[in-house]
Amino acid sequence: SSELTQDPGVSVALGQTVRITCQGDSLRRYYASWYQQKPGQAPVLVIYGQNNRPSGIPDRFSGSNSGNTASLTITGARAEDEADYYCNSRDSSGNNLEVFGTGTKVTVL
Amino acid sequence: QVQLQESGPGLVKPSETLSLTCRVSGGSIRSYYWSWIRQPAGKGLEWIGRIYTSESTKYNPSLKSRVTMSLDTSKNQFYLKLSSVTAADTAVYYCARGDLAGGTTYFFDYWGQGIPVTVSS
Repeated sequence: SSELTQDPGVSVALGQTVRITCQGDSLRRYYASWYQQKPGQAPVLVIYGQNNRPSGIPDRFSGSNSGNTASLTITGARAEDEADYYCNSRDSSGNNLEVFGTGTKVTVL
Repeated sequence: QVQLQESGPGLVKPSETLSLTCRVSGGSIRSYYWSWIRQPAGKGLEWIGRIYTSESTKYNPSLKSRVTMSLDTSKNQFYLKLSSVTAADTAVYYCARGDLAGGTTYFFDYWGQGIPVTVSS
């Protein structure tokens, strides 16, 4: 079972804001990274670290962290943002292993 | 632009060894972490393990007894071997480049397109 927990699904109206959360003990020590995955495609990194966006990722994607929770916010959701989103971080074992969250399906209405 | 490309058989028989190759182009395989990640149909992502250029490895504890990763800097490629496969190992397998920022953030910035592998007789 994953050590990083995400809500299975959320919906957002076109142009509105949605926040996706990721909870886990390791997030008290490590930042999460976030990936967007559309059907039939490989995941794409959208946020890493405190709140860093790779080149080419729109600024409507942002990240934040508090305690054991990391959040990904999409401000002004667009139809093309409909996808699965996964968080990733180190696990809580102290052995520098990686773990992915359970994933959140974002539906844009 | 860094690109990763997985290759290998798409069908493996139960109890045999799954062997995959990830070819890295557009950048050196040195100085980064290289991981394998898999995704069964309709399910989430599972990290399998990673290798660093010093050939140090870390594996998912749930797969550790069956996984071996290696790399060849002369070919700019790295490899996955998963032994004693069962139907539960059927998945899309991705290779990805990992990087570390500030000691507290590890992320996968480049991914291969994925290769579907089916375990069946």
